Amino acid sequence: QVQLQESGPGLVKPSETLSLTCTVSGYSISSSYYWGWIRQPPGKGLEWIGSFHSSGSTYNNPSLKSRVTVSVDTSKNQISLSLSAVTAADTAIYYCARVRGAYYYMDVWGKGTTVTVSS
Amino acid sequence: EIVLTQSPGTLSLSPGERATLSCRASQSVASTYLAWYQQKLGQAPRLLIYDASSRATGIPDRFSGSGSGTDFTLTISRLEPEDFAVYYCQQYAGSPITFGQGTRLEI
Repeated sequence: QVQLQESGPGLVKPSETLSLTCTVSGYSISSSYYWGWIRQPPGKGLEWIGSFHSSGSTYNNPSLKSRVTVSVDTSKNQISLSLSAVTAADTAIYYCARVRGAYYYMDVWGKGTTVTVSS
Repeated sequence: EIVLTQSPGTLSLSPGERATLSCRASQSVASTYLAWYQQKLGQAPRLLIYDASSRATGIPDRFSGSGSGTDFTLTISRLEPEDFAVYYCQQYAGSPITFGQGTRLEI
């Protein structure tokens, strides 16, 4: 059974870098699927951040421009997300998910982790 | 960017009734690359339907999806108490992947 668990600091200061980790169990991240990050501001809808493959292929939402960096640690079966120069608009629940392809649907989701950007 | 508009914003129904949720795209969604998700309060979204009409693993057959081009529909044939939640559509026909704003299904 595939399970995903997000972790990271719940509070980040404006202009700093948000760093989150998604730990995958029950499935190797080196397999054929992609892995994605999606966020949800309080009381709002879902926003796709990007989809990533362990081979290094990366597909980001242009709205986040170059602020997003993703890395993969296959030895720990983890995917990490960094979002630089954060503002209050980046306050959200951040989800990681298994994605069936670079641009595809998400069939397994983590429970999400809440990040607040505030001084 | 493909913009998805869901209607209605809120749908008030009773258990046992039929629910029809709409998702309209600003341009044609190629190859019916559209999915539906259910999100309950405090939980992550759950995949219900992919490729417009294929049910995800473990999803009851009272959930069905249809549509093509720019108009898509999620139908719940007979509402169960656990079906009251927020529903989102998502297109994956091109970049960026986008979601609709959601339909709240309330008792």
